[in-house]
Amino acid sequence: EPEVTQTPSHQVTQMGQEVILRCVPISNHLYFYWYRQILGQKVEFLVSFYNNEISEKSEIFDDQFSVERPDGSNFTLKIRSTKLEDSAMYFCASRSGLQETQYFGPGTRLLVL
Amino acid sequence: AQSVTQLGSHVSVSEGALVLLRCNYSSSVPPYLFWYVQYPNQGLQLLLKYTSAATLVKGINGFEAEFKKSETSFHLTKPSAHMSDAAEYFCAVSDNAGNMLTFGGGTRLMVKP
Repeated sequence: EPEVTQTPSHQVTQMGQEVILRCVPISNHLYFYWYRQILGQKVEFLVSFYNNEISEKSEIFDDQFSVERPDGSNFTLKIRSTKLEDSAMYFCASRSGLQETQYFGPGTRLLVL
Repeated sequence: AQSVTQLGSHVSVSEGALVLLRCNYSSSVPPYLFWYVQYPNQGLQLLLKYTSAATLVKGINGFEAEFKKSETSFHLTKPSAHMSDAAEYFCAVSDNAGNMLTFGGGTRLMVKP
């Protein structure tokens, strides 16, 4: 069964550094999403992406964040200058155009020191 | 704006007992409702969804949920708990087929032998 994959599974970085989180969505899916979950808190929506542009974003998704689909298979989330409060589990999800279910990857745990 | 409340961050049941995980939602439009399960070190897996068809929805692993508009609820049940059901369960709402998901805080289900 096709799955969403994410790399790396864990990343530790220093405050102020740039990080790129990678996702490979299910191959025929058209809609892509990033969510995050800070430890002990709810899963929160960050951004949705369709047809090579952002379709919706939350207040969390400020200028420090960007998304890209560089090569037709990967979907990346970049944090330009990480802050301590960016430490969280980041989930990628994808959806086909034919149904409403979002399929989630296993997540990347980001720790900012 | 939408919101989801899951009553009980931790629920403990004995193996073979009824599982009831509560979810109440708030939505200004007819909602799409989802239950996801997360096993340790894995992504969010869809258990079941409500998309304005039958109000009693059956999902995987013997789980089902009933949409009750008058109570704005979408509680998850399973008649007989199994040890393998131990996981974290998330209720989520969307205001449209593919829009962002708003999650509840999650309920960790523990199953005692």
